[in-house]
Amino acid sequence: AQKITQTQPGMFVQEKEAVTLDCTYDTSDPSYGLFWYKQPSSGEMIFLIYQGSYDQQNATEGRYSLNFQKARKSANLVISASQLGDSAMYFCAPGDMRFGAGTRLTVKP
Amino acid sequence: DARVTQTPRDKVTEMGQEVTMRCQPILGHNTVFWYRQTMMQGLELLAYFRNRAPLDDSGMPKDRFSAEMPDATLATLKIQPSEPRDSAVYFCASGLTTGQGNTGELFFGEGSRLTVL
Repeated sequence: AQKITQTQPGMFVQEKEAVTLDCTYDTSDPSYGLFWYKQPSSGEMIFLIYQGSYDQQNATEGRYSLNFQKARKSANLVISASQLGDSAMYFCAPGDMRFGAGTRLTVKP
Repeated sequence: DARVTQTPRDKVTEMGQEVTMRCQPILGHNTVFWYRQTMMQGLELLAYFRNRAPLDDSGMPKDRFSAEMPDATLATLKIQPSEPRDSAVYFCASGLTTGQGNTGELFFGEGSRLTVL
């Protein structure tokens, strides 16, 4: 199984600013990509973005983008122009779908 | 609007009782995952199935937990006997996977909140 590390238990960001959430992984299978999910206080799990292991370009999806550095085994999530609704837990997971501990993001008005 | 359906949404039971949680994956999906979420342990992968076959249940306490897929439209997670430490939110998720690892979005159910007194 892979090991996923999210080193930031909590993060704060000012509304409209960008924020980067860290995720590193220790993989035995180089073919695994990486997922990011959001969990607001309502509890649902919402898919945000996926980076394929062999994708040449960093994935982007609206205000979400991935800073994927395969050599460093990191796939950090960048949220641009933060909104109050972005306040939530954020989880990353590799292709075996074992999630990291998560980062709680709070967006300040 | 296809979605993963979990029942029950909330369950309160007494220690020692049997608990069965059910999940209806999205039609056509070939992979089903069961997770347990607690404040202390986070989101733990308990088991997952591909094409109804169990691929990995190493995260599941074998003495009291069991997971099955009797058919493609139903996955079950059973706890017998239940203990207070089993209190958690249990999520089911389904997806479409080809080859090694998951490469497509997993769709999560709303979860089953279990409280064992």
